[in-house]
Amino acid sequence: AQTVTQSQPEMSVQEAETVTLSCTYDTSESDYYLFWYKQPPSRQMILVIRQEAYKQQNATENRFSVNFQKAAKSFSLKISDSQLGDAAMYFCAYRSETGSARQLTFGSGTQLTVLP
Amino acid sequence: ETGVTQSPTHLIKTRGQQVTLRCSSQSGHNTVSWYQQALGQGPQFIFQYYREEENGRGNFPPRFSGLQFPNYSSELNVNALELDDSALYLCASRSGPYTNTGELFFGEGSRLTVL
Repeated sequence: AQTVTQSQPEMSVQEAETVTLSCTYDTSESDYYLFWYKQPPSRQMILVIRQEAYKQQNATENRFSVNFQKAAKSFSLKISDSQLGDAAMYFCAYRSETGSARQLTFGSGTQLTVLP
Repeated sequence: ETGVTQSPTHLIKTRGQQVTLRCSSQSGHNTVSWYQQALGQGPQFIFQYYREEENGRGNFPPRFSGLQFPNYSSELNVNALELDDSALYLCASRSGPYTNTGELFFGEGSRLTVL
């Protein structure tokens, strides 16, 4: 079974600064996707960024980028120019490309605080 | 285009009771998944429905059951409620079970408290 570990329960960053959230995962599969989701107090999970395991190039979405190290099974999220609206719980998630359900396996989350 | 909607938003039950949670999938989405998120934890996969049939299940006992209707809306039923069932229940939909985009669209969840 796959596992996802987020070792930072809480992080804080000054507005306009850069912060990196860590995630490691364990799998024996070669074909999978990795995701970062954001969960604000409204509780709705919002997709931040996705990475296909077969792609060596790191994904980027505006101020959000990842550092994907497949051999090390590491998938960190970098938020540049942090904004107050970035404050939320961030979850790293894994999705296998085998099986019928293709469900997500989530880490335990990192609570990000953005300081004005 | 309407998003994923869930009802009720909050509810309180007592141990041993039964509960039904409802979810309307995003327009055009035929696949619905349910996740349980205990306080301070990440969501855990309960099961998924595709075209009215369960096509995947996580490590949850049979007292967690579900339905999907022809309009792709879904219900999650939990029998014989236990205190540990207290959690946020998230519904998510997508356009197909095998889509390679992997993107799920989530609702805002139903917060269940079991006393």
